[in-house]
Amino acid sequence: GIQVEQSPPDLILQEGANSTLRCNFSDSVNNLQWFHQNPWGQLINLFYIPSGTKQNGRLSATTVATERYSLLYISSSQTTDSGVYFCAADDYNNNDMRFGAGTRLTVKP
Amino acid sequence: KAGVTQTPRYLIKTRGQQVTLSCSPISGHRSVSWYQQTPGQGLQFLFEYFSETQRNKGNFPGRFSGRQFSNSRSEMNVSTLELGDSALYLCASTQQSNTEAFFGQGTRLTVV
Repeated sequence: GIQVEQSPPDLILQEGANSTLRCNFSDSVNNLQWFHQNPWGQLINLFYIPSGTKQNGRLSATTVATERYSLLYISSSQTTDSGVYFCAADDYNNNDMRFGAGTRLTVKP
Repeated sequence: KAGVTQTPRYLIKTRGQQVTLSCSPISGHRSVSWYQQTPGQGLQFLFEYFSETQRNKGNFPGRFSGRQFSNSRSEMNVSTLELGDSALYLCASTQQSNTEAFFGQGTRLTVV
């Protein structure tokens, strides 16, 4: 199955700073999503983005499918952005979404 | 529209017991997938059901099983519980395969 790698594993920012999280995947993807896991464990959908660019407020994401990576941008970070961000992808042959190990973001006031 | 509902939210079981977890998908969604999250292994795929059929299974022992009912609700069962089964179990709902997945709040299982 597809392999998903995220970087960096940990990121510490000051409030107001911008950040870029990266997700590399090993094969062509049929589906790629970004999630934020809240303190209670639920995965909150951020973007469904198998290709192209999307924006939602201070967050945006870009997937370059031909080069097998996706980027999540967080601008003007806030303390409430803290948590773990996951990238997940599945390929055309399987119906199982594979997750990266996540990026743990800490935003300090 | 109601989201994905998982019950129970928390569970404590003893080694050797069995447990059944439930997941109700978003109305109209026919695919349900299950994942296990542990600090050591991260998020791992367990299985996927679509229209009452298991279509894909992850690399877990036979103690882990599941089923899906005609209303798309799904259950997963773990028999002969081990300490290592302590984890957050997450269920995802999709309208059909390979489309946007939505997750429930999870069931946190502790085996003592």
